Amino acid sequence: SSELTQDPAVSVALGQTVRITCQGDSLRNYYASWYQQKSGQAPVLVIYGKNNRPSGIPDRFSGSSSGDTASLTITGTQAEDEADYYCNSRDSSGNHFVFGTGTRVTVL
Amino acid sequence: QVQVQQWGAGLLKPSETLSLTCGVYGGSLSGYYGGWIRQPPGKGLEWIGHINYSGSTNYNPSLKSRITISVDTSKNQFSLKLSSVTAADTAVYYCARGHGDYESGYYYYYMDVWGKGTTVSVSS
Repeated sequence: SSELTQDPAVSVALGQTVRITCQGDSLRNYYASWYQQKSGQAPVLVIYGKNNRPSGIPDRFSGSSSGDTASLTITGTQAEDEADYYCNSRDSSGNHFVFGTGTRVTVL
Repeated sequence: QVQVQQWGAGLLKPSETLSLTCGVYGGSLSGYYGGWIRQPPGKGLEWIGHINYSGSTNYNPSLKSRITISVDTSKNQFSLKLSSVTAADTAVYYCARGHGDYESGYYYYYMDVWGKGTTVSVSS
């Protein structure tokens, strides 16, 4: 079982804001990275570190962290943002890495 | 632009060894990690392990007894071997380039370039 817990699914109206959370003890000491995975495709990095976006990722994606929870926020959600989102960070031992359970975002 | 390409056998029988290789193109693996991730059908992502340019490895404890990740710096490639496969190892396997650093005193790790994935099926 994953040591990083995410809500299984969230829905958001087109143009609105959605926040996806990732909870785990290790997040008190390590930042999470976030990945977007569309159906049948490889994951794509969208956020890493404190709040960094790779080149080509729209600025409507942002990250934050507080205590044992990391968050990915999509502001002004677009239809193309519909996908599964996974967080990734160290496990509770700090020695290995683990993915979150994943959140499916549906755009209404 | 850095790309990774992966290849290897996609159909295995139980007890055989899975073998996949990932090549990094348009950039060096130096200073980065070569990582492996898998995704069983209809399920989430699972981190398998990674290796750095010097050959230091870090493995998922649940798979550690069966996996070997190696690097060939002369070819800018890294490889995964998973022994004694069963149907539970059926998944899409991805390779990715990883990088770790510190920001505001906290460590972070990310995988920024991913392969397209290799579907591996284990069946008798």
